Amino acid sequence: QSVLTQPPSASGTPGQRVTISCSGSSSTIGRNYVYWYQQLPGTAPKLLISKNDERPSGVPDRFSGSKSGTSASLAITGLRSEDEADYYCAVWADSLYVVFGGGTKLTVL
Amino acid sequence: QITLKESGPTLVKPTQTLTLTCTLSGFSLTTPTVGVGWIRQPPGKALEWLALIYWDDDERYSPSLRSRLTITKDTSKNQVVLRVTNMDPVDTATYYCAKLDLDTFDYWGQGTLVTVSS
Repeated sequence: QSVLTQPPSASGTPGQRVTISCSGSSSTIGRNYVYWYQQLPGTAPKLLISKNDERPSGVPDRFSGSKSGTSASLAITGLRSEDEADYYCAVWADSLYVVFGGGTKLTVL
Repeated sequence: QITLKESGPTLVKPTQTLTLTCTLSGFSLTTPTVGVGWIRQPPGKALEWLALIYWDDDERYSPSLRSRLTITKDTSKNQVVLRVTNMDPVDTATYYCAKLDLDTFDYWGQGTLVTVSS
């Protein structure tokens, strides 16, 4: 059981806006950046959002990240079928080690 | 082009030591702020961070697995090696290595599935 809590599943229809939450504590999300990774079926994870809300080059602006207090969120607008994947949040705990959330499986209906 | 590739045994017996190698291309572990980490994923389960090593030999380990892990680097070969002792069936997973830019895993290898079984 991870110290970062994510809903196990989320879903939406094409074109919709979907959000995925990541809940932590004052020692994890509260004082550290949050990162988001996307894992398409059968592939390695890929960096989606860095440092709470920064999109690496090549990531569509449909994806956005935010953080407030001890929680963070990943938002996907204009949902597309190719967004169907597992999404993981991650933080540095105590600036010493990395913790991943339990992952959220996004289904595009 | 930055790539990472994991290699090692696909099957190990319980109690054995697993040795995995990550071969780097397109970047160097002598560059400041660069590191390489290992992350694993049991079948159908979540990602679990294991260890990382930075350009300056700073090593970090998962607190829960610290006693079983050793990470080393060979910059002349552009490789990072992870050793996991006393393997158990619960350690069956796909093991990934990933490049770190200070605190961000920005490039990942394709992963290698390791099964622990007698």
